[in-house]
Amino acid sequence: QSALTQPASVSGSPGQSITISCTGTSSDVGGYNYVSWYQQHPGKAPKLMIYEVSNRPSGVSNRFSGSKSGNTASLTISGLQAEDEADYYCGSYTSSNTRVFGTGTKVTVL
Amino acid sequence: EVQLVESGGGLVQPGRSLRLSCAASGFTFDDYAMYWVRQAPGKGLEWVSGISWNSTIGYADSVKGRFTISRDNAKNSLYLQMNSLRTEDTALYYCAKGEKWELLSSLDYWGQGTLVTVSS
Repeated sequence: QSALTQPASVSGSPGQSITISCTGTSSDVGGYNYVSWYQQHPGKAPKLMIYEVSNRPSGVSNRFSGSKSGNTASLTISGLQAEDEADYYCGSYTSSNTRVFGTGTKVTVL
Repeated sequence: EVQLVESGGGLVQPGRSLRLSCAASGFTFDDYAMYWVRQAPGKGLEWVSGISWNSTIGYADSVKGRFTISRDNAKNSLYLQMNSLRTEDTALYYCAKGEKWELLSSLDYWGQGTLVTVSS
């Protein structure tokens, strides 16, 4: 149950697009379409942004999109805004009937 | 409105036990999987355990054999019995709701967490 691998930090200017990667194995990310993404602002609980690779919950901006290729999933934030500055975590279902989170990525809006 | 309220955290000595509770409201509790996730101070999220609507259970390797998850659908409550606590179990423990009934579901609502500190 090793954590999924994410870049420690990603940055962009307002209005730009950024992409966060999440790399696992065929036993988690690559084996199932049950990848999700969570946003966490400092001192707050995480918030679900994407589920089942590319689906947005009601109320989440369409500036957030998800995709997957092989053992790597990606979260893209388009039209970057100051409020998007936060930590982002991916998560996946695993073959052990458990879940695993990514190492987390700090997004900075320049 | 979905609400998840955790309780039971506190300061405990290594080797001792603690039981966390999560009171749920605003949804049909027994229709959904429920989870515990923890976050050590300044660290990332770690999935701890999950329980499906029909009590299929999963544990992280780091807590298997020491922690026990359970649910009481009549009381709309989720529990985590933590035994043989270690200093590395120190974290903010979140209760979270699954977006469907199975353990493969994402976590769509989270509580505010209860802090567990394991120290002598």
